[in-house]
Amino acid sequence: NAGVTQTPKFRILKIGQSMTLQCTQDMNHNYMYWYRQDPGMGLKLIYYSVGAGITDKGEVPNGYNVSRSTTEDFPLRLELAAPSQTSVYFCASSYRDSGNTIYFGEGSWLTVV
Amino acid sequence: AQSVTQLDSQVPVFEEAPVELRCNYSSSVSVYLFWYVQYPNQGLQLLLKYLSGSTLVESINGFEAEFNKSQTSFHLRKPSVHISDTAEYFCAVSVNGGTSYGKLTFGQGTILTVHP
Repeated sequence: NAGVTQTPKFRILKIGQSMTLQCTQDMNHNYMYWYRQDPGMGLKLIYYSVGAGITDKGEVPNGYNVSRSTTEDFPLRLELAAPSQTSVYFCASSYRDSGNTIYFGEGSWLTVV
Repeated sequence: AQSVTQLDSQVPVFEEAPVELRCNYSSSVSVYLFWYVQYPNQGLQLLLKYLSGSTLVESINGFEAEFNKSQTSFHLRKPSVHISDTAEYFCAVSVNGGTSYGKLTFGQGTILTVHP
């Protein structure tokens, strides 16, 4: 069972470069999320989507963009990488009810130098 | 808005000792409560959750948590820990309905280290 798959797992970016973190899920979940995790800060929600074509900002959206053209895919784009975006990024998905389990990918470690 | 506070950033214990990881939350509406576990270099896995009904919920590996509405707490306990329980544990809440539907708010995490 694939679940939530994120690529790449590790990436080093130079300041000002752009990149896209890919996320795909094979559970037919309508809700998808991007979180970032920083030491001692827990996880913060960047963007989320309640279905194809619908996205909304989370708690820390600045510097990021998302799109949701299909149910399966929810890529996260960094347009102008900054050192403050050095973090571990987790994609997640869930079925429609907020009481349902949210499934996480294994994370993408991003370093901006 | 909701907030979650995990009262201990690190908890060291010896193997076979009991442990309690503390979690308090704040919300103006009713919430669902979750504990997630993260092993090194891995994603988060659901450990247990409270949606409704019995305030005591259990996981398959011996952890339990009790929802206390009056104290707005959801502490995680295990009567006897193993080396393999070493991980970071996150408490989280989600709100049922409205614009917060389905989104989790996390605490800062508690690193549990079990020593032999």
